[in-house]
Amino acid sequence: QQQVKQSPQSLIVQKGGISIINCAYENTAFDYFPWYQQFPGKGPALLIAIRPDVSEKKEGRFTISFNKSAKQFSLHIMDSQPGDSATYFCAASTGYSTLTFGKGTMLLVSP
Amino acid sequence: EPEVTQTPSHQVTQMGQEVILRCVPISNHLYFYWYRQILGQKVEFLVSFYNNEISEKSEIFDDQFSVERPDGSNFTLKIRSTKLEDSAMYFCASSEAPGREQYFGPGTRLTVT
Repeated sequence: QQQVKQSPQSLIVQKGGISIINCAYENTAFDYFPWYQQFPGKGPALLIAIRPDVSEKKEGRFTISFNKSAKQFSLHIMDSQPGDSATYFCAASTGYSTLTFGKGTMLLVSP
Repeated sequence: EPEVTQTPSHQVTQMGQEVILRCVPISNHLYFYWYRQILGQKVEFLVSFYNNEISEKSEIFDDQFSVERPDGSNFTLKIRSTKLEDSAMYFCASSEAPGREQYFGPGTRLTVT
């Protein structure tokens, strides 16, 4: 019940396209859903996060869509750029617990 | 911009040896965490620490592991007797409060031979 399931495992998108990564969870107590971006050899960097009181949050080219009834949330990267090529992790936590991470999605944006 | 720092960046040790991984959290943060990431796998929670005591730990965090805040700035993870399967990237993270954004350090790559 603590799992966060992430898909796809890898994704190739052309420059300028939209990258979409999906996550699903089971624990209805989760109330914080961040996305992290990780470049090779680096630590995860917080990209954007959402709480379940809103269905969408947008920051620049990055948008989180949240569907509470379906227990799903997704990351959309608009106008994807080669510099966006990285591994993306979704995660979830309850108010006072630690982060449970998805298995990650390797995104490659081709020039 | 404040950031979490970790040392060393890479540690090679022999099986059975003790290692200490060091972290300096963001200065006004009160909650500290250790995570690990085995090569190519997801990030896994090890332990959280607040007010000089462990708040939460995972099943991975057995008696071989310990954490300490020896002074006002450092946060350490000690592995008493390393095993081959301890080889991984170890990330320190900190947050202002539980449930708030966690900021990760660059990690220490631990290689146990």
